[in-house]
This record gives sequence, structure tokens and C-alpha cells, in this order.
Amino acid sequence: QKEVEQDPGPLSVPEGAIVSLNCTYSNSAFQYFMWYRQYSRKGPELLMYTYSSGNKEDGRFTAQVDKSSKYISLFIRDSQPSDSATYLCAMTPISGTYKYIFGTGTRLKVLA
Amino acid sequence: IAGITQAPTSQILAAGRRMTLRCTQDMRHNAMYWYRQDLGLGLRLIHYSNTAGTTGKGEVPDGYSVSRANTDDFPLTLASAVPSQTSVYFCASSKGRGETQYFGPGTRLLVL
Repeated sequence: QKEVEQDPGPLSVPEGAIVSLNCTYSNSAFQYFMWYRQYSRKGPELLMYTYSSGNKEDGRFTAQVDKSSKYISLFIRDSQPSDSATYLCAMTPISGTYKYIFGTGTRLKVLA
Repeated sequence: IAGITQAPTSQILAAGRRMTLRCTQDMRHNAMYWYRQDLGLGLRLIHYSNTAGTTGKGEVPDGYSVSRANTDDFPLTLASAVPSQTSVYFCASSKGRGETQYFGPGTRLLVL
């Protein structure tokens, strides 16, 4: 079993839709969670990060962490064609390691 | 420059040849990383360095070596390239352990 599971998609939604992207994980030591956006043939770009359970909002993006269920989500409101990309979740225990575990990414297409 | 630069952008290499991928950051981050990204496998850590002068092995270190002579530079060397090393290589950096990683634009390597 992989430490982090992420549905590869592709996920196609109409412009303006609310998008929900999710990852599940198995290691309860993970304490720091990140979401990256990766456009085709580009490097991953940090979108959001959070340490704690609950919600963190930044513009149209909301990151949600449920440590009891080992489940994290990224919500995109009012999705735009420019949001079309692959979204990667990543996580790490913070202390004692340089180990960062990435999901394989969910490919999102927002249709105009 | 701002952030992380990588060179070359892409390369076609004959099997058995030696190749060094370059990575430079100007954020004065202590930690640096090399990942490879392959379809369906996501980002996998090759080597890391928590500070100048020290390096460590990641998940897939075989066939690769790194050095960290100073804070800014973290080259990755393939001593004798093999076709299975065909991949996209990303360099990343973070302030320290367990902090957000920032990625370079990547090097696309094809080994024939």
C-alpha cells in the first residue's frame, strides 16, 4: 500500500464549478501538508500548506485536513480554464526526516 | 535570478555516457533535493542535502551521485547513464527539515 493515495483523474469540470481534489495517507506521523500545481512541462508550484487539522483559505483555494481520517482536500471555487493542471499533494512528518511523500497527482481540466 | 534554476532544460544522452545536471538556488535555503518524476510513479527522491557539505540517500539513489560544496549549488551526476534513467528531474530546496519545498523548472533527460 502506498503511503499517499491520490486519484489520477483526469477530472473534467465546466468553468465556474467547485473542484474537490483529495488525498488519503496511512502514516499518522505526517504533520505538514502541501498542495502543488504543476502545468504541463513545468515544475511543481506551491499553492498552499498547512500544519493543522481544519480549513485554510487563500483566495479561491481552500485546503482541508482531517488527521483523524488521514484525509486531505483542496477545494477550488469558481474554477477557471487556467486552473487546468495536475495537482499534487505532499506531506512530511516535519521533524527527524527529510522525507517528503508526494501523491502521484490528479489531472484537472476546466472546460470553457 | 530568483528561486531555483536548472540546466540543461533537456538532453538526449547515449547510454554509458556521464552527465551532470546542474541546480542553483538563490534563496539561501539550507536543504536541497533531487527528484525524478515518472508517469504513474510521481515524484521520487533521489538524494538530498540538509546543509553544505552533507548529503543523504533518498528512495532511488542507485546510479546517481551528488555533492554540496556550497549553499547554492547541488549538482546531480549520472556516472554511466542507462535507459531506465530517462525521466524528468527536478531540483528543490527548503529552508530546513519539514518546511515547504520549492521546485526548479526541471530537466527532461532521454537516455538512448
